[in-house]
Amino acid sequence: GENVEQHPSTLSVQEGDSAVIKCTYSDSASNYFPWYKQELGKGPQLIIDIRSNVGEKKDQRIAVTLNKTAKHFSLHITETQPEDSAVYFCAAFHSNYQLIWGAGTKLIIKP
Amino acid sequence: DTAVSQTPKYLVTQMGNDKSIKCEQNLGHDTMYWYKQDSKKFLKIMFSYNNKELIINETVPNRFSPKSPDKAHLNLHINSLELGDSAVYFCASSVNPRTTGEQFFGPGTRLTVL
Repeated sequence: GENVEQHPSTLSVQEGDSAVIKCTYSDSASNYFPWYKQELGKGPQLIIDIRSNVGEKKDQRIAVTLNKTAKHFSLHITETQPEDSAVYFCAAFHSNYQLIWGAGTKLIIKP
Repeated sequence: DTAVSQTPKYLVTQMGNDKSIKCEQNLGHDTMYWYKQDSKKFLKIMFSYNNKELIINETVPNRFSPKSPDKAHLNLHINSLELGDSAVYFCASSVNPRTTGEQFFGPGTRLTVL
């Protein structure tokens, strides 16, 4: 069935450095790829998304890139800050109208 | 004015009991979801309702029964609770299941079965 793989499962970076989280998907019909951030004790919240007709999208310190040919997309966070510490999920909108979720990446920002 | 609210936030109960979790959204969305998040943080879709109609029903034991009295509410009733049901349950909503777009999540209900 449809699958989204996410790596790494844990990422530890020094404050101020960049963080990159990568996802691959299997359904070539997927056309929408959101990224969610889940802070401790809260529900996931959308931080950025990209549609299949776009290769890159930026919003201040975060950016997402999409390679449709290779079926992978990545989240880039620059100048990381302590408040970026959270679990990040990628997802792909499947052709059966479901979001298929990655397993999550725990991002730790070291002071 | 919370967009998606769930009650209770914490639920501790004994094996074999029956319990319910309530969810309400005030966003005017047509679609609501229940997710289960296990201890490893993996998010698993359980059910989705669109305008009170069940549209997604993943492989979930039939001890779990969702009920949608209207499109703003989606409740989850669980019979004969088991240890493996311990998890955080999230309710979410979105505008429409057939279009891409943001899902808005509630704060979660942490269920502990003893």
